[in-house]
Amino acid sequence: QKEVEQNSGPLSVPEGAIASLNCTYSDRGSQSFFWYRQYSGKSPELIMFIYSNGDKEDGRFTAQLNKASQYVSLLIRDSQPSDSATYLCAVKAEAAGNKLTFGGGTRVLVKP
Amino acid sequence: ETGVTQTPRHLVMGMTNKKSLKCEQHLGHNAMYWYKQSAKKPLELMFVYNFKEQTENNSVPSRFSPECPNSSHLFLHLHTLQPEDSALYLCASSQDPPGEQYFGPGTRLTVT
Repeated sequence: QKEVEQNSGPLSVPEGAIASLNCTYSDRGSQSFFWYRQYSGKSPELIMFIYSNGDKEDGRFTAQLNKASQYVSLLIRDSQPSDSATYLCAVKAEAAGNKLTFGGGTRVLVKP
Repeated sequence: ETGVTQTPRHLVMGMTNKKSLKCEQHLGHNAMYWYKQSAKKPLELMFVYNFKEQTENNSVPSRFSPECPNSSHLFLHLHTLQPEDSALYLCASSQDPPGEQYFGPGTRLTVT
């Protein structure tokens, strides 16, 4: 079983709609959760992070944590063609020190 | 710009060459990382340095040799690489806690 799993997609979303991405993790000790956006040929860019104590909203992005079911989600409201990218989920457990464990990413395509 | 720079951005080398990748972070972080990203595969953590001390080596072949002379600079020395080592090599840095990592633009390496 992979430690951090994401549906590889592509997730096709009409422009203006909400894109909903999920990420499941296996380590119950995970305490920090990160979402990165990666455009083709570019490096990952941090867009949001949350801790185990709550959800977070930043502009059009909302990250939500479901600890009981061990998944974290990213919602992108009013999706734009510029949101088309691969979204990487990363998880950090207290016992892992500095180490982030990354999922394989979900490719999102926003169609005009 | 994330405050993490990498040089060179592109590198083509033969299997008998020796080359080095350089990373510099201007964020005052205390940890630095090397990742490998191959096509269609998740990010692979290679090395972690925390306060200049190597704290993780993820079973990386000895043809990859990291060096961290101070907390702002990180090198990856390459020698006798194989064609399957062709990939995007990403450097990242973080301050722990809270631990979110910021990536440099990467070096696209092609081994011929």
